[in-house]
Amino acid sequence: DADVTQTPRNRITKTGKRIMLECSQTKGHDRMYWYRQDPGLGLRLIYYSFDVKDINKGEISDGYSVSRQAQAKFSLSLESAIPNQTALYFCATSDAVVAGVETQYFGPGTRLLVL
Amino acid sequence: EDKVVQSPLSLVVHEGDTVTLNCSYEVTNFRSLLWYKQEKKAPTFLFMLTSSGIEKKSGRLSSILDKKELFSILNITATQTGDSAIYLCAVDPSNYQLIWGAGTKLIIKP
Repeated sequence: DADVTQTPRNRITKTGKRIMLECSQTKGHDRMYWYRQDPGLGLRLIYYSFDVKDINKGEISDGYSVSRQAQAKFSLSLESAIPNQTALYFCATSDAVVAGVETQYFGPGTRLLVL
Repeated sequence: EDKVVQSPLSLVVHEGDTVTLNCSYEVTNFRSLLWYKQEKKAPTFLFMLTSSGIEKKSGRLSSILDKKELFSILNITATQTGDSAIYLCAVDPSNYQLIWGAGTKLIIKP
């Protein structure tokens, strides 16, 4: 079974709709992240959470919100989807800093198309 | 502004060739540099580099970091079609927000 799972894997929605992307992990990691990936732009951080009570904005948080329901679950919401939010979305986890460094583990991604 | 730049953006070679992918960075505080391979969807971890001059090696892949010149290279020898992927470089600037390069798309032709 995959350690980091995302649902749905693909989603098509219309402008103005609210949608939620979900991420679950069985790795027991405290840290979770949401990224979006656009061609030619690499990965950009949307939000991150270091534990259930800790939520932080990333580089491009406008138009998004998150919820850390439990250590294992971190959801990303688009309150009112717009076409330029069409992208590939990744959830990632890490188990804090070990020996001064951190490695992130990624879910399979959710491909979102906003019409 | 912190940034990570990868080059080339894309590369096409024939099976058996050796390739070198580049990653240069500018960050205020540096903790580590990471290489990931992205085939179809999720990036998978390859290497983490923290010290200059120490080569990390895994099979036909190797990587080294130069903290003085602020770059890293990823070498792949005797390339195979299964090496075709996007290779991503990221830098940890000590604030827990990785800075990602745009990636190098590598295509290996049989």
